[in-house]
Amino acid sequence: EAAVTQSPRNKVTVTGGNVTLSCRQTNSHNYMYWYRQDTGHGLRLIHYSYGAGNLQIGDVPDGYKATRTTQEDFFLLLELASPSQTSLYFCASSDEDTQYFGPGTRLLVL
Amino acid sequence: GDSVTQTEGPVTVSESESLIINCTYSATSIAYPNLFWYVRYPGEGLQLLLKVITAGQKGSSRGFEATYNKETTSFHLQKASVQESDSAVYYCALGDGNYAQGLTFGLGTRVSVFP
Repeated sequence: EAAVTQSPRNKVTVTGGNVTLSCRQTNSHNYMYWYRQDTGHGLRLIHYSYGAGNLQIGDVPDGYKATRTTQEDFFLLLELASPSQTSLYFCASSDEDTQYFGPGTRLLVL
Repeated sequence: GDSVTQTEGPVTVSESESLIINCTYSATSIAYPNLFWYVRYPGEGLQLLLKVITAGQKGSSRGFEATYNKETTSFHLQKASVQESDSAVYYCALGDGNYAQGLTFGLGTRVSVFP
C-alpha cells in the first residue's frame, strides 16, 4: 500500500499569512492530489499533478497554488491566507484506480 | 456533474448490532463508474475500505460488504455485527475511470458504536 505523509499536521496562521503544506509519497505514483474537506461538503479537489513539473486545476482552485517538484513531493501554497481557507487538507497519490490518502493537515486561519 | 449522496450522520449503534450506510450516485460522465468506500478513524487519514469496479459485483473488507447495483445506482455499505473499533467516518466515492480527475465524494457519515 502506498505511503503518503503530510506536514505539518496542524497549522495556525493569520489572515494574509503565507502557508506551505507538504506532501510526500514513496511509491512512485504518477498522480498526486490536494483536497480540502469541510463540514457539509465532501472532499473537494483543489489541484492535482501527473508528474514532476506538471500542475492541473481542480474544482476549487481559487486562492491556492501548487507545485510538484519531484515524483514524490507535492506542495500546496496559500500566499495570502484567508479565514475561508480554514479546513482539513488531504493529499493523495494514485495508482490506476485507487487513491491513497495522507493523514491530513488541519489549517486554521485567524 | 457526478454526485454521491449518502446517509446523513451521525449514526449511533450498539456493539453487535447491524449497520447499513446508504449510498446512491449519479454519474454523468461515465456509464459504469468505479465505486469506493473510504473510512477515516479518529486522528487518522482516509483509508480505502473496499472498492468495486464492475457492476453487479460485491466488495468486502473487515466484515463490511457493498454491492454495486447499476439498476438502483446504489452502493450501500453493510456490516452484520459492528464493534466499537468501527467508530469512524465513512465516505462513499465515485471515480469515472479517468483517475486523473480525482474522485467525487459524499459528505461522509459519522458512525459511533457504543459498548
